[in-house]
Amino acid sequence: DTAVSQTPKYLVTQMGNDKSIKCEQNLGHDTMYWYKQDSKKFLKIMFSYNNKELIINETVPNRFSPKSPDKAHLNLHINSLELGDSAVYFCASSQRTGAYEQYFGPGTRLTVT
Amino acid sequence: AQSVTQLGSHVSVSEGALVLLRCNYSSSVPPYLFWYVQYPNQGLQLLLKYTTGATLVKGINGFEAEFKKSETSFHLTKPSAHMSDAAEYFCAVSVQGFKTIFGAGTRLFVKA
Repeated sequence: DTAVSQTPKYLVTQMGNDKSIKCEQNLGHDTMYWYKQDSKKFLKIMFSYNNKELIINETVPNRFSPKSPDKAHLNLHINSLELGDSAVYFCASSQRTGAYEQYFGPGTRLTVT
Repeated sequence: AQSVTQLGSHVSVSEGALVLLRCNYSSSVPPYLFWYVQYPNQGLQLLLKYTTGATLVKGINGFEAEFKKSETSFHLTKPSAHMSDAAEYFCAVSVQGFKTIFGAGTRLFVKA
């Protein structure tokens, strides 16, 4: 049974389009995250939610908007996609905020053409 | 503020040789330290973690790491590399109540 799942796994779209990535965790965790991994494997945190409340909002263009309908789900909506948005996006969860191990989803590879 | 530095973006070893991946951290308070592994086209998974107590931590797949406060290091080792160990490895540091910071990653190559 998958602990952290993301859909879709691959997403190919054109510049200017709007797209969403969905994430669900069945671990009963309170905290969820979105990370962006670039082509050099650098992992950058974008957002973190704790019990549906935004707690980390890094310097991310406001074209990116996370939404957490409940603590098991954290979705990422991206408006007006740009070439530089091409990356792998990972969802993760942890029991609580801070110094707890994180469980990662399989990633969504976004390609903007 | 905490930070983490992984020395060497690429490490190459022969199968059966010692694996040593270096990680140094900076933190003003006692940190929690993690090593994660990422296999191709997969998400990260936890190898091991240090919270408090014993400074030598054993993880999955024969990996271990030692927390050395005096050297602010948390190097990852494995006595004998296997082809299946080829992956990207990330060191991470976290302080209770704050976000986790990941290092830039070290790609491990294992030669037959």
